[in-house]
Amino acid sequence: AQSVTQLGSHVSVSEGALVLLRCNYSSSVPPYLFWYVQYPNQGLQLLLKYTTGATLVKGINGFEAEFKKSETSFHLTKPSAHMSDAAEYFCAVSFSGGSNYKLTFGKGTLLTVNP
Amino acid sequence: GAVVSQHPSRVICKSGTSVKIECRSLDFQATTMFWYRQFPKQSLMLMATSNEGSKATYEQGVEKDKFLINHASLTLSTLTVTSAHPEDSSFYICSARGLAVSYNEQFFGPGTRLTVL
Repeated sequence: AQSVTQLGSHVSVSEGALVLLRCNYSSSVPPYLFWYVQYPNQGLQLLLKYTTGATLVKGINGFEAEFKKSETSFHLTKPSAHMSDAAEYFCAVSFSGGSNYKLTFGKGTLLTVNP
Repeated sequence: GAVVSQHPSRVICKSGTSVKIECRSLDFQATTMFWYRQFPKQSLMLMATSNEGSKATYEQGVEKDKFLINHASLTLSTLTVTSAHPEDSSFYICSARGLAVSYNEQFFGPGTRLTVL
């Protein structure tokens, strides 16, 4: 069975500071990994994904994440936080051929950005 | 591309009534659609998976007679909450995947806020 753990339900940073949101996964087969962002009362927007190939993945809005198989991690980073980055972030995992690529989500991390 | 819409975005109903939520893939054919439920400040909980023309597969603990899912075409899936009660109040989100559009990715709708009085 696959699972996702997001360390820290709430992360607070200052505007311009580094953003680091942590995600660890458990999967018995090679995973597909995703980061989504959710603004209040809205659906999920894909930030970036890792399927195969390059382990450093760049996404929208200046975010990137690195797949580290040895650490079973897929942490999300952004060099400089902007006020508009304040939102809920979800890490998710699926795998090839499994149950229609069903996603398993972490519990989410709320990012607040202080002026 | 790969846009998913939901209708309505918000619905308020009386206890005991049924509510239907539509999920549409606007610019691609969705071979699989997913329905999620999200409680305030919590993660998404998968309720069911449906493939076009087939019966939905429900997750453990989800009442199939309570939450009726119909995936009648490659662009439309509906979720009907039957005899809704206040505990069914939640944010419902659908997603869709299609073979021709990034097959390993789900595209999410904007969600429907259901409030049962």
